[in-house]
Amino acid sequence: AQSVSQHNHHVILSEAASLELGCNYSYGGTVNLFWYVQYPGQHLQLLLKYFSGDPLVKGIKGFEAEFIKSKFSFNLRKPSVQWSDTAEYFCAVNTGGTGGGNKLTFGTGTQLKVEL
Amino acid sequence: DTGVSQDPRHKITKRGQNVTFRCDPISEHNRLYWYRQTLGQGPEFLTYFQNEAQLEKSRLLSDRFSAERPKGSFSTLEIQRTEQGDSAMYLCASSIDSGSGWETQYFGPGTRLLVL
Repeated sequence: AQSVSQHNHHVILSEAASLELGCNYSYGGTVNLFWYVQYPGQHLQLLLKYFSGDPLVKGIKGFEAEFIKSKFSFNLRKPSVQWSDTAEYFCAVNTGGTGGGNKLTFGTGTQLKVEL
Repeated sequence: DTGVSQDPRHKITKRGQNVTFRCDPISEHNRLYWYRQTLGQGPEFLTYFQNEAQLEKSRLLSDRFSAERPKGSFSTLEIQRTEQGDSAMYLCASSIDSGSGWETQYFGPGTRLLVL
């Protein structure tokens, strides 16, 4: 069964600092990869996704992620964080395909706190 | 608002009681998923429907859990004889099957269940 690891459980940054959140998955086949974000008091929202093609994907609010197949990684980056980026970030993998099995497997999440 | 909606948003019940949650997906979405999220963890897949057919169930879904999507629109998740270990956030997500097998799931706000 596939699994997703997020190694940073809590991250504290100052505004304008750069962010990189790690995500590694275990699955040898074709995958879709996602980052979801949950702002305080809000529901899970899609930040960005990778289906195929360019391994560097850009999402909302200046976030980007790079899919490195050889490392089974999909790390999330932002060059300069803002206080409003304070949230919990979840990496997820969908091994998908026709006929079913499109469930998402999530990591345990990374709680990001951005200080002024 | 055309997003995924869930009702109720909060439920407190006593151990042994039955509870039922409702999910209304985005209107044109034919796939509907249920996940459970406990504190400090990412969401875990429970079950999913394509139209009215329940295509996959997790082993997390014990016999006390049942889900339905009778007309391929809204879905209900019932937990019978609740236990304290059922306390969690129950999330619903929906997506549209584009035919490629790859899809993006959109999440609702969740129903937070507390079993006393």
